[in-house]
Amino acid sequence: AQKITQTQPGMFVQEKEAVTLDCTYDTSDPSYGLFWYKQPSSGEMIFLIYQGSYDQQNATEGRYSLNFQKARKSANLVISASQLGDSAMYFCAMREEGNFGNEKLTFGTGTRLTIIP
Amino acid sequence: AAGVIQSPRHLIKEKRETATLKCYPIPRHDTVYWYQQGPGQDPQFLISFYEKMQSDKGSIPDRFSAQQFSDYHSELNMSSLELGDSALYFCASSFSQGAFKNIQYFGAGTRLSVL
Repeated sequence: AQKITQTQPGMFVQEKEAVTLDCTYDTSDPSYGLFWYKQPSSGEMIFLIYQGSYDQQNATEGRYSLNFQKARKSANLVISASQLGDSAMYFCAMREEGNFGNEKLTFGTGTRLTIIP
Repeated sequence: AAGVIQSPRHLIKEKRETATLKCYPIPRHDTVYWYQQGPGQDPQFLISFYEKMQSDKGSIPDRFSAQQFSDYHSELNMSSLELGDSALYFCASSFSQGAFKNIQYFGAGTRLSVL
């Protein structure tokens, strides 16, 4: 069963607008972590933001915030004031708690975001 | 700040050849992960090491092996290469304690092309 679902294969957003990238997840583990990564066309995988399942507040990192709704099992990424450099593939990923080192990431299929000038 | 270093960045091999990919984790990180990302796909977990011991194994072919050395760098060895092994191979590292516990930081990847 798919554990991470990203339903938006592609999005086009006007520069300076805010954008929300959707991510839903499925797990029966009470302790888990949710990540967002950015992959530009050059290929590297850049860590953006992390939310732990027990964190009381939504994570924020500069223009990035994570809208974590635990009951709905969703962890949407919000990018405020989008910039041309935000154009990239965005992956949502989940880490399920395990033994030390036994915490591989499971990725969604990604959303390709294109910012229009 | 130091990041995860992967070498080489690009590698071209013929079918049935062998390849060795290297990864140098962020200093003090105690866990290393390898992922494979095929064209147009999401990354798939291959194998991980915690404190130089193999800790988890994913969909890694038997033709692949990996190890982590005493200086914490890791190598992914791939033998009898097939066309389907062409992919972007990522190494990631994390630290099991502290404020940034278990956040996986990725290297820039090694792009392997098998001809």
